[in-house]
Formats: sequence, structure tokens, C-alpha cells
Amino acid sequence: DGGITQSPKYLFRKEGQNVTLSCEQNLNHDAMYWYRQDPGQGLRLIYYSQIVNDFQKGDIAEGYSVSREKKESFPLTVTSAQKNPTAFYLCASSIGIGDPRGNTEAFFGQGTRLTVV
Amino acid sequence: AQTVTQSQPEMSVQEAETVTLSCTYDTSESDYYLFWYKQPPSRQMILVIRQEAYKQQNATENRFSVNFQKAAKSFSLKISDSQLGDAAMYFCAYSNDDKIIFGKGTRLHILP
Repeated sequence: DGGITQSPKYLFRKEGQNVTLSCEQNLNHDAMYWYRQDPGQGLRLIYYSQIVNDFQKGDIAEGYSVSREKKESFPLTVTSAQKNPTAFYLCASSIGIGDPRGNTEAFFGQGTRLTVV
Repeated sequence: AQTVTQSQPEMSVQEAETVTLSCTYDTSESDYYLFWYKQPPSRQMILVIRQEAYKQQNATENRFSVNFQKAAKSFSLKISDSQLGDAAMYFCAYSNDDKIIFGKGTRLHILP
């Protein structure tokens, strides 16, 4: 079954600790994205990557870091510099700009709810 | 920079009636995609409908249709014969060759 897997579904961390959220896809998509969802804020783009070993900052990248060492994987690290990390995080992928169909719709994982205490 | 605006934070519709959700966007590009996603209480994002900017014909998917006005940069979603299962958050999204961005969403309530 092709899809995107985010793990874990729920994550609790102490304030000041870094934490890494996992995102894996087996859709052979080039593009991957991380979004943060807060009530009333919609989905805000944190980081995105169109190709392995390359990624760009989104609208709210401060306090986050990513890597894209493999096509299938795009982990997100929430660092201690992120002032308000408690949120719902969504990972997504899409075919990407390398395909003649262009950057079509995003396919989403089930999300990770991060709570920092 | 591209932006997506949904001006209706919440809406309600009677079951079996029709409702229209609004979305406007801003871009300087001529070729792009627009989407409507549904997020039910499970929080799983579900693609409802997709529109390619170069196509003048409005997309339809069963009870869901869009009114795409390229010059006005408007992309509204019409849900006909509303059902209780349509209750959810609805997000409008824009995609170009670079990234996919979303609006803040509209929460739709279905009244029995």
C-alpha cells in the first residue's frame, strides 16, 4: 500500500528538548512538505523539499530544521529555539516539479500531535 | 509571494441544502493548480476537488463543484445536497512549481 507514514501519532516532550518527527513516503514523490496546524491558523508551511539534498524554508521555519538525505524520508526536528512548539504537524508529498504534470496535489500523512510540557 | 484567503471561518447549512465556500488567492503566475481539501474530525486531509488554471471549465466531483474565476482570482466550492458527513474543516490550497500553500480554513456545520 502506497502512502505517507508519520510517527509517532502523539509525542510528549519536556521544554528545552529537541524532538524529531518522522515522515516516510513510498509514493516515489520528489516533493515533500511539513506543515504546522494551529486552531484558526490553517496549515502553515514550515519547510519543503523538491529534491534530495535540497530544501527551502517556508513561512514559519524559525526553530525548526529538516534533512532530505533520501527521497523517501523528510524528518523534521523541533528545536528548543521554537518558542511555542505544541501543535499538530502534518507531512505531505507531491509528484514534484520534475514531472510533466507539475506540482499537483499533496498527499498527507495522519499527523503528529506534539505536546511540550 | 502567493497567498490564499478564506474569509469565512465558519458556516452552517441545513442538511440537503446547498452551500458555497469562498476562496481568493493572489499570484502573478499564469499556470498553477487550485484545490479544496476536507479535514474531518480524524484530522486526515482528504482531497475534494482539483482545478488546473489553464482549464476554463469548472471542475466537478459528484456533489462538489467549483466556480473558478481566473481574472478575479476566485475559487469557490459549492456543495450540493449537503450531508451530515460533509461536516468538516475545508481548506483551499494553491500549488505552483515551487510549493503548496493553504488558506486558514472554513469550518462547515451541517444542521439536521
